[in-house]
Amino acid sequence: DAGVIQSPRHEVTEMGQEVTLRCKPISGHDYLFWYRQTMMRGLELLIYFNNNVPIDDSGMPEDRFSAKMPNASFSTLKIQPSEPRDSAVYFCAEGTSGNTIYFGEGSWLTVV
Amino acid sequence: GENVEQHPSTLSVQEGDSAVIKCTYSDSASNYFPWYKQELGKGPQLIIDIRSNVGEKKDQRIAVTLNKTAKHFSLHITETQPEDSAVYFCAAKGSGGSNYKLTFGKGTLLTVNP
Repeated sequence: DAGVIQSPRHEVTEMGQEVTLRCKPISGHDYLFWYRQTMMRGLELLIYFNNNVPIDDSGMPEDRFSAKMPNASFSTLKIQPSEPRDSAVYFCAEGTSGNTIYFGEGSWLTVV
Repeated sequence: GENVEQHPSTLSVQEGDSAVIKCTYSDSASNYFPWYKQELGKGPQLIIDIRSNVGEKKDQRIAVTLNKTAKHFSLHITETQPEDSAVYFCAAKGSGGSNYKLTFGKGTLLTVNP
């Protein structure tokens, strides 16, 4: 399996604060995805990149969410300002044009 | 867009029994169907996948079947073991402009009782 590295693994923050989640994919995989997982909505695709270019951001809930991929080995998902309803597990995943997607271990976010 | 329904939401079996999880999808153009296993505190891990040009695929105790006409696919686990206990997700890759988008089912919590 690919070794997507996500940080932080756990974060607790106060409502209104900025949250930045980080992802370090394995080089050679040209697709990168951000997913959000909650009990109510399951796994939802927020945005994905191909060769560092955002392709589909239709899953991004609102303007408070933004994602960047400045190079092939790093991506960020930012929430500003954060709200309690943003509490979830955020997964970064990577893949190739062959369709298989590999997930990281996730960032567990709690907004109080 | 694609819609994936997964059943059952929970499944409890005795060790050694078989477990079957079923999914249906809505987009007849979908052509890729992976299954993921998620253990507590971890990310989903791909366990098997099938493409639309194949009706069945097997990997040791795990098999997946696909019925394109009925638009459903199933995961079969034989000789279940306690370590198979986890949440299992099916997914389908839809068609259209954003054709890399995987839509996931809501998951099945499988418990294998020793």
